[in-house]
Amino acid sequence: NAGVTQTPKFQVLKTGQSMTLQCAQDMNHNSMYWYRQDPGMGLRLIYYSASEGTTDKGEVPNGYNVSRLNKREFSLRLESAAPSQTSVYFCASRESSGNTIYFGEGSWLTVV
Amino acid sequence: AQTVTQSQPEMSVQEAETVTLSCTYDTSESDYYLFWYKQPPSRQMILVIRQEAYKQQNATENRFSVNFQKAAKSFSLKISDSQLGDAAMYFCASKITYKYIFGTGTRLKVLA
Repeated sequence: NAGVTQTPKFQVLKTGQSMTLQCAQDMNHNSMYWYRQDPGMGLRLIYYSASEGTTDKGEVPNGYNVSRLNKREFSLRLESAAPSQTSVYFCASRESSGNTIYFGEGSWLTVV
Repeated sequence: AQTVTQSQPEMSVQEAETVTLSCTYDTSESDYYLFWYKQPPSRQMILVIRQEAYKQQNATENRFSVNFQKAAKSFSLKISDSQLGDAAMYFCASKITYKYIFGTGTRLKVLA
């Protein structure tokens, strides 16, 4: 009953460090998403992947890269972390014919 | 541009009473879906209820129901017989093609 799994759950980075947030889903969904959540701003789309091998920029892609490694996994990389990237990051997935998006538990990232 | 607006940053309700959370959206598309998600302190995003725009009948899930006014582009959530466990952030969202747009959220407090 795993659904969407994100790692790590918590991370503290220094400005300029890099890191990768991992996401995996076991629901055989084609579409996957990365969102960030900031106070008072709801969830904003960073990147979207419709299927293995395809990715598209969302509303706030600057400072991030993604990899859709296979159907199950969709990773988000911060190459040079900045304090403005302090946020809660959510991975989500959706089946092609479906309309409901399912979320992971979130990853809390603090950049100091 | 597609937008989702939640004009109530915070609401309070007495336990066992009924509360309505407001949401308005803007889109020029005819095919779309609307959602309410609950986010408790754990930060997990939990689907509460979903409405297809082509359906005139308002969706209902146990104590949760919506008032979908398509012409007015309004999608409010009614919680009946409020329980302490209903205390959370509630996000309204719309899905148009592959994009999910979220409102800024309403924090619901349930008073014992």
